[in-house]
Amino acid sequence: AQSVTQPDIHITVSEGASLELRCNYSYGATPYLFWYVQSPGQGLQLLLKYFSGDTLVQGIKGFEAEFKRSQSSFNLRKPSVHWSDAAEYFCAVGARNNDMRFGAGTRLTVKP
Amino acid sequence: EADIYQTPRYLVIGTGKKITLECSQTMGHDKMYWYQQDPGMELHLIHYSYGVNSTEKGDLSSESTVSRIRTEHFPLTLESARPSHTSQYLCASSYAGSDTQYFGPGTRLTVL
Repeated sequence: AQSVTQPDIHITVSEGASLELRCNYSYGATPYLFWYVQSPGQGLQLLLKYFSGDTLVQGIKGFEAEFKRSQSSFNLRKPSVHWSDAAEYFCAVGARNNDMRFGAGTRLTVKP
Repeated sequence: EADIYQTPRYLVIGTGKKITLECSQTMGHDKMYWYQQDPGMELHLIHYSYGVNSTEKGDLSSESTVSRIRTEHFPLTLESARPSHTSQYLCASSYAGSDTQYFGPGTRLTVL
């Protein structure tokens, strides 16, 4: 069965600084990979997804993620963080027509 | 993007009460899901449905039950609430054959 590890429980960055959130997955076949964001009191919103093809995926709100099969990673990046990016970020792995597994999440705090 | 609704958003209830958490989606998605989310923990799938009259248990054992009488509606019921049921419950949906799930805003349940 697939699994996801998000090594960082909480990250603090300054507004305008770059951001990288780590995600490592475990799955025997080619995974489907997702990043979701959850603002306080809200549900999860899909930021981006990787199914196949180009390993650098662009998402909404200026986020991107890179799939690295050799490292079993799918790290989320943003070149310049905005205060509104403060939220909880979840990485998830799935397989076609199978259920998804979510990581425990990384909480992002943005300092002014 | 899917429109998916959950009610109530917040619920505080006494032990032993029967409760139903509502979830509805307006996009005609075949598959629907219920997740349980606790702070700092990954989302756990507790129920899912492939379509009308289909319900399956997820990975996390749950004392709740679900029904799927209509495509757009997937309510979750607790016959007798206990403090251990205190959590956030997230509903999601997706098209059959798609691995992208769209989430509702969640119901935060507190059982006293």
